[in-house]
Amino acid sequence: DVKVTQSSRYLVKRTGEKVFLECVQDMDHENMFWYRQDPGLGLRLIYFSYDVKMKEKGDIPEGYSVSREKKERFSLILESASTNQTSMYLCASSLGTDTQYFGPGTRLTVL
Amino acid sequence: DQQVKQNSPSLSVQEGRISILNCDYTNSMFDYFLWYKKYPAEGPTFLISISSIKDKNEDGRFTVFLNKSAKHLSLHIVPSQPGDSAVYFCAASVGLSNFGNEKLTFGTGTRLTIIP
Repeated sequence: DVKVTQSSRYLVKRTGEKVFLECVQDMDHENMFWYRQDPGLGLRLIYFSYDVKMKEKGDIPEGYSVSREKKERFSLILESASTNQTSMYLCASSLGTDTQYFGPGTRLTVL
Repeated sequence: DQQVKQNSPSLSVQEGRISILNCDYTNSMFDYFLWYKKYPAEGPTFLISISSIKDKNEDGRFTVFLNKSAKHLSLHIVPSQPGDSAVYFCAASVGLSNFGNEKLTFGTGTRLTIIP
């Protein structure tokens, strides 16, 4: 059974803070993804990674960076959080072209 | 530029009746389509998928129909049950032979409410 875990379910940060969102998967998946979900906009891809130390920009990478130092872990970094980054952040992983499995999400509020 | 569109933000259906959720896409390169279901405070879970070489795929109460000429797919749930109340997202990806085919483009979601 695939398990994708995210470090926090809820997070409150202040404008300008550096924010780290962590995601860990336990199924040796090579692909990992970060999305944000906003009302009326659905899920939008921020960044994804096909392998350790590899990253690709998604549809909305501005204001974000990522790190993948180990296969099981994919971190999303907000260098200087802004209020428009208040959102639900979802991490997913997949094996090859198979189904993506999602974590429970982190609801981030930036004040 | 929304390449995958779900034009109905919400839908209410009586328990036991059929629920039909619709999805339209604009990118003719998409050839694999999926439906995900999301409960509040949980991540989306995979429901059913269809390849562009098919026009129908069935799994229990769930059937997905694909009309390539209309660039339209739909999810049918029969019979609808209260546990089906959730937000449903359709998603699409581009050709299995292309690098980056793992990337999914999601629609905006439809909130389905099943009325007991």
